[in-house]
Amino acid sequence: GDSVTQMEGPVTLSEEAFLTINCTYTATGYPSLFWYVQYPGEGLQLLLKATKADDKGSNKGFEATYRKETTSFHLEKGSVQVSDSAVYFCAHRTYGATNKLIFGTGTLLAVQP
Amino acid sequence: DAGVTQSPTHLIKTRGQHVTLRCSPISGHKSVSWYQQVLGQGPQFIFQYYEKEERGRGNFPDRFSARQFPNYSSELNVNALLLGDSALYLCASSLVGEQFFGPGTRLTVL
Repeated sequence: GDSVTQMEGPVTLSEEAFLTINCTYTATGYPSLFWYVQYPGEGLQLLLKATKADDKGSNKGFEATYRKETTSFHLEKGSVQVSDSAVYFCAHRTYGATNKLIFGTGTLLAVQP
Repeated sequence: DAGVTQSPTHLIKTRGQHVTLRCSPISGHKSVSWYQQVLGQGPQFIFQYYEKEERGRGNFPDRFSARQFPNYSSELNVNALLLGDSALYLCASSLVGEQFFGPGTRLTVL
């Protein structure tokens, strides 16, 4: 069935370090791919998205490229900040009668000053 | 602009009780979806409603039910609460495609 697998955390980095959070998916059809971020005590915020193969989503210095051949959508940032500390969720959505999102288990990122 | 709002923010219930959670979508959004997020896990899809009709249901027991009102707001009802129902319940609204999430209702079942 459809699923999302992302690297387990926590990921602990020093400020200004390079970030990669791996995400792979299985899906029927051609899904749209998303990264959501959840700050402590809050709901989900859309960070970036890509709707077709080779698209690159970007926002706030974060990037992810839709790789159809490897069914991946890895999240990267060149220089993390303490304020980036949060839980990051990879998700996909396959259009059909139900417009539902399928999420990974989340990756906790902790950035230390 | 007002985002998705949910009430209450927090709720404590005991096993066997019933609970109703409420969601108001972004103005103009006709679709509402509900997700359950157990601590340490990603959100799991429960229901989607569009124009007051159920469009999809996740793998949840019949104790879970929902409805959407003419103003597009929605309620999620859970009967005969179990300890395992303790979670953050998220509501998302959408117009076309992208879903916008509310802050969630934290339900604790004792």
